[in-house]
Amino acid sequence: DTGVSQNPRHKITKRGQNVTFRCDPISEHNRLYWYRQTLGQGPEFLTYFQNEAQLEKSRLLSDRFSAERPKGSFSTLEIQRTEQGDSAMYLCASSPNRVYYGYTFGSGTRLTVV
Amino acid sequence: AQSVAQPEDQVNVAEGNPLTVKCTYSVSGNPYLFWYVQYPNRGLQFLLKYITGDNLVKGSYGFEAEFNKSQTSFHLKKPSALVSDSALYFCAGTQAGTALIFGKGTTLSVSS
Repeated sequence: DTGVSQNPRHKITKRGQNVTFRCDPISEHNRLYWYRQTLGQGPEFLTYFQNEAQLEKSRLLSDRFSAERPKGSFSTLEIQRTEQGDSAMYLCASSPNRVYYGYTFGSGTRLTVV
Repeated sequence: AQSVAQPEDQVNVAEGNPLTVKCTYSVSGNPYLFWYVQYPNRGLQFLLKYITGDNLVKGSYGFEAEFNKSQTSFHLKKPSALVSDSALYFCAGTQAGTALIFGKGTTLSVSS
């Protein structure tokens, strides 16, 4: 296990379609985070899990967004009825139980909504 | 609300010169502060962190950062810049138990 893996790397979808992204964290990390990054901005927090429990959700996470982490392993982020404003890089990160260890980020999934 | 600010969108420096990338924070309690670097089409890579202890922390690739509580700053520094240091740098902060909040980033451009 060499790091955080995200799939797909790129996704182009038509407006109104649903998309799902997957993140495989470092196996011994309890925490998993999702962030969204748009051009010229820093990563914006979306949600995080400790094991299988979703502990915090940002106000940025509209009803069209849902995330899961079944069995506390990999996680999926689904966007329903995509809009052009959803076009962004979606970053996943994982960390051990304490935040002061810092996060390990995946390479991200770039979503383009046309 | 917690926040992290990077007042400069871009920093330009000549190779061999010292560099500073600025960061200020507004985090209640004792802050945990981090610097990350991002290369094009890549995820963020950890550079260094301040948790407690010495105000000067050393990290990867010769970078260091100084925590200044009175000025609520955590500036990233390097004594001698390399062209390969050119990238996008993010400062991030949090208090215990909450997710990292990132600044909007500073593009570092090192010219040869």
